[in-house]
Amino acid sequence: KQEVTQIPAALSVPEGENLVLNCSFTDSAIYNLQWFRQDPGKGLTSLLLIQSSQREQTSGRLNASLDKSSGRSTLYIAASQPGDSATYLCAVRGETSGSRLTFGEGTQLTVNP
Amino acid sequence: DTEVTQTPKHLVMGMTNKKSLKCEQHMGHRAMYWYKQKAKKPPELMFVYSYEKLSINESVPSRFSPECPNSSLLNLHLHALQPEDSALYLCASSQPRDRRTFGSGTRLTVV
Repeated sequence: KQEVTQIPAALSVPEGENLVLNCSFTDSAIYNLQWFRQDPGKGLTSLLLIQSSQREQTSGRLNASLDKSSGRSTLYIAASQPGDSATYLCAVRGETSGSRLTFGEGTQLTVNP
Repeated sequence: DTEVTQTPKHLVMGMTNKKSLKCEQHMGHRAMYWYKQKAKKPPELMFVYSYEKLSINESVPSRFSPECPNSSLLNLHLHALQPEDSALYLCASSQPRDRRTFGSGTRLTVV
């Protein structure tokens, strides 16, 4: 059974810092991995999708990497801003899990002005 | 149109009521999903419609029933809910095996 762990559970940083969020998964037989952002009481916003054959994806100040063999992904946020404050979730789709995504518990990020 | 639209945004219902949640997308996605999310927890998959075929999470009680009138619409019918069913209900869509797009959710409170 796939298990996804996100570390740290919560993170508070001053504005302008570069930061890294971590996601690990136990079964390396994945189809893709997706990073989401969720603001309180809102839906999920897809940030980056990495297919299993890819090593990284970039969008603006965000960069996500994937090391499938070691079961790890990182989300790098450059020059953090207060508007980046949210919960960040990673989700893994397994090769044999059909449509089911396995989510981590999330990292709650606070960027202080 | 790159959005998934959910209505209503908030719903309060009694345990004897019947209500429906609605979800709509016009991105041509062939897969649509219902998720339930409790506070400070990740979303849990309830139902999937993919190419008009329904897949059910077997742990979902029968008081929840999905309906897919067409490829752009997905409803969730609610009947005789319990207070523990209070949660954020999220709809999502995607091309099968592709990036998933979520709606903003319906906040449901059962009293």
